[in-house]
Amino acid sequence: DSGVTQTPKHLITATGQRVTLRCSPRSGDLSVYWYQQSLDQGLQFLIQYYNGEERAKGNILERFSAQQFPDLHSELNLSSLELGDSALYFCASSVGGGSVNTDTQYFGPGTRLTVL
Amino acid sequence: AQKVTQAQTEISVVEKEDVTLDCVYETRDTTYYLFWYKQPPSGELVFLIRRNSFDEQNEISGRYSWNFQKSTSSFNFTITASQVVDSAVYFCALSEFPQGGSEKLVFGKGTKLTVNP
Repeated sequence: DSGVTQTPKHLITATGQRVTLRCSPRSGDLSVYWYQQSLDQGLQFLIQYYNGEERAKGNILERFSAQQFPDLHSELNLSSLELGDSALYFCASSVGGGSVNTDTQYFGPGTRLTVL
Repeated sequence: AQKVTQAQTEISVVEKEDVTLDCVYETRDTTYYLFWYKQPPSGELVFLIRRNSFDEQNEISGRYSWNFQKSTSSFNFTITASQVVDSAVYFCALSEFPQGGSEKLVFGKGTKLTVNP
């Protein structure tokens, strides 16, 4: 158990809908990262938040957004869902915000999103 | 350009065999980190090891060992005396520090290891 929690574990929805995925980082971690794992794209970095502020962006679609709250939990919002958004979405957390002295990212169990 | 290459898509071995998973990376940075993660059938990503670019010492942890060679940009992972529970997809990842940004992990496509009894 990494200490990172994600809810829900599974999510089934229809095209055009909007969903919210939730992540709670390990105790003491200030950074939250979101990744998408799909069969064709593999594991891709979406976005990082550090202590409430957006720190880095990866291959995140404009239909997707995220935020980190004062209690450091994070939510990933996916809207206007398409079939191709079906994937496993991981949240990871780390102590720092990213620097030369990087620290390890610990991953949550993931949320499996199925868009029908 | 692909930055982390795991050329072996799938490997199948019989229990107690040794197996090496290859990872070749590409970066222009002098400071970077390399990682291995394990994804068992249950789906979670489990951290195995982190290695920084200045430390080329090989590392051994139980049946696991890692060989880091900067000269060939490789960070290979060997499982000795493999067990059925080692069956999983193994990902190699590279952490870079883009200018003005934060470090992010770039993953290889993964190697699916099946250990048969």
